[in-house]
Amino acid sequence: RKEVEQDPGPFNVPEGATVAFNCTYSNSASQSFFWYRQDCRKEPKLLMSVYSSGNEDGRFTAQLNRASQYISLLIRDSKLSDSATYLCVVNPNDRGSTLGRLYFGRGTQLTVWP
Amino acid sequence: ETGVTQTPRHLVMGMTNKKSLKCEQHLGHNAMYWYKQSAKKPLELMFVYNFKEQTENNSVPSRFSPECPNSSHLFLHLHTLQPEDSALYLCASSPRLKVSIQYFGAGTRLSVL
Repeated sequence: RKEVEQDPGPFNVPEGATVAFNCTYSNSASQSFFWYRQDCRKEPKLLMSVYSSGNEDGRFTAQLNRASQYISLLIRDSKLSDSATYLCVVNPNDRGSTLGRLYFGRGTQLTVWP
Repeated sequence: ETGVTQTPRHLVMGMTNKKSLKCEQHLGHNAMYWYKQSAKKPLELMFVYNFKEQTENNSVPSRFSPECPNSSHLFLHLHTLQPEDSALYLCASSPRLKVSIQYFGAGTRLSVL
């Protein structure tokens, strides 16, 4: 079973649309959660951390459901510049894992069209 | 610019060649990582270094040999690679192992012929 599962998409949406990505993780003891963004042929960059209470950064909202081991990212009012691959990232940070080790999902590809 | 620089950006090598990838971070971080990213696959952690000491080798074949002379520099020495080793190799760093946020370099796109 994969540590982190994501729907690979692709998601193709018009500008201004709202789009949501989902992710599940297998290790119930996981401590830290993130969304990274990776543009085509570029490196991954941190988009936002995900907190238990949910958090928002402008048009982006991240939610965590520990009971269901589920993470989501909501993008409102999509822009052309949002086109990228969104990576769900989990740090188990438990006794059996290397501290700082991250598990990445395959990524969800988003294309926003004009 | 993330403060993590990788060279070369692109590399084509034959299966009998020996080459090295270089990573340098200017962020004062103490932990550095090598990842492999293949098409349609998640990033795969290869090696972890903390204060120059290797803390994890994620069952990587011996044809990949890492070297960390100091906390700012990380190398990946390559020899007798296979075509399936063609991928994007990403270096990352973090302030400490316990800090989850990692900063990535732009990667080296490797093609093995």
